Amino acid sequence: IQLTQSPSSLSASVGDRVTITCRASQGISSYLAWYQQKPGKAPKLLIYAASTLQSGVPSRFSGSGSGTDFTLTISSLQPEDFATYYCQQLNSYPTFGQGTRLEIK
Amino acid sequence: QVQLQESGPGLVKPSGTLSLTCAVSGGSISSSNWWSWVRQPPGKGLEWIGEIYHSGSTNYNPSLKSRVTISVDKSKNQFSLKLSSVTAADTAVYYCASKLPLPPNYYYYMDVWGKGTTVTVSS
Repeated sequence: IQLTQSPSSLSASVGDRVTITCRASQGISSYLAWYQQKPGKAPKLLIYAASTLQSGVPSRFSGSGSGTDFTLTISSLQPEDFATYYCQQLNSYPTFGQGTRLEIK
Repeated sequence: QVQLQESGPGLVKPSGTLSLTCAVSGGSISSSNWWSWVRQPPGKGLEWIGEIYHSGSTNYNPSLKSRVTISVDKSKNQFSLKLSSVTAADTAVYYCASKLPLPPNYYYYMDVWGKGTTVTVSS
């Protein structure tokens, strides 16, 4: 199952609301996760089951969608949110989207 | 909280075998987790390699299956990756990760990751 994220990169300012989309090549129910990765660090689980916030993750992060179309929204960007974001499906053997690089405008 | 630590050679010769180990601390490898390997080539995205359960059951990425072996050593509370016939394309940061059941549906997701170890394939 292929995952396509858009956009591939995004420039935004602190306080902005941003949305990243992830489209699956076939239906995956809600078996989708979102990760944040900062340079030189391991990915960090933000959202799983498409919309469940992982413990300890700020509430400005939210996820939605099911089937083939999913979104990750950050309601008000903070300086520490500038990173690369990946979606991942676990409906079949796990695959990741190509990533969305979120940069400071 | 489970912690994971990868270890192994940082340099492997072409056509050789890459061997890495992931030590599990703060929990038992015999818990209800799947233990995974994920890699990331320089400047690129993430690729799942495969996973193992403490019973020895494995799942592998079809694109790597012919070259990958993942094993578990319950006595040492660790699991290992072997990737054979390596080329420069296998140069990457290799992560081990724990896939565990999370509420409310208790499906499995990769929640705990090691810090990663860089493996370069070069003569």
